[in-house]
Amino acid sequence: AQSVAQPEDQVNVAEGNPLTVKCTYSVSGNPYLFWYVQYPNRGLQFLLKYITGDNLVKGSYGFEAEFNKSQTSFHLKKPSALVSDSALYFCAALADGSARQLTFGSGTQLTVLP
Amino acid sequence: DAGVTQSPTHLIKTRGQQVTLRCSPKSGHDTVSWYQQALGQGPQFIFQYYEEEERQRGNFPDRFSGHQFPNYSSELNVNALLLGDSALYLCASSLGVSGGRIETQYFGPGTRLLVL
Repeated sequence: AQSVAQPEDQVNVAEGNPLTVKCTYSVSGNPYLFWYVQYPNRGLQFLLKYITGDNLVKGSYGFEAEFNKSQTSFHLKKPSALVSDSALYFCAALADGSARQLTFGSGTQLTVLP
Repeated sequence: DAGVTQSPTHLIKTRGQQVTLRCSPKSGHDTVSWYQQALGQGPQFIFQYYEEEERQRGNFPDRFSGHQFPNYSSELNVNALLLGDSALYLCASSLGVSGGRIETQYFGPGTRLLVL
């Protein structure tokens, strides 16, 4: 069975500082990894995905994520945080051969302090 | 270009009742997946519909059923509601057949269901 872990329930960062939201995964076969963001009382918005190729993936709103196969991690990063980045972030995975069921982590609440 | 839409936005039901939630996929998409997001948790996969058939199902009881229509829109039905069914129900759409490419699932705003 596949699983996704987000070890931090809450991340606080000052505006203008770099941010990192951590994610580790456990899947059989090749992993396909996604980051989504959820604002209060809203659905999930797609940020970026890793399928294959370059380990550094660039996405929407200046976010990027680094895929590390040896550490089974897919951390979300942004060089300079904005107050408007404050939201709930979810990491998700699809297992190779089962491109249907997304498995989500428990989410990380990011708060960017002005 | 309309994104994924869901109706209603909010719903209040009592235990034992039945509920139907609706989803219209993003333009050009033919596959609809449903997820349940309980408060403080990540979404959990319920099932996926493609070509009007249930293609994959998560670990949910038979009280949860669905349907996909020829225009690709979908319904989620929950019978004999329990208090624990209170959650945000999310619909996601994607392309079902894409030459082996891994397609992104795009989510709607969700339906908030409260069971009293």
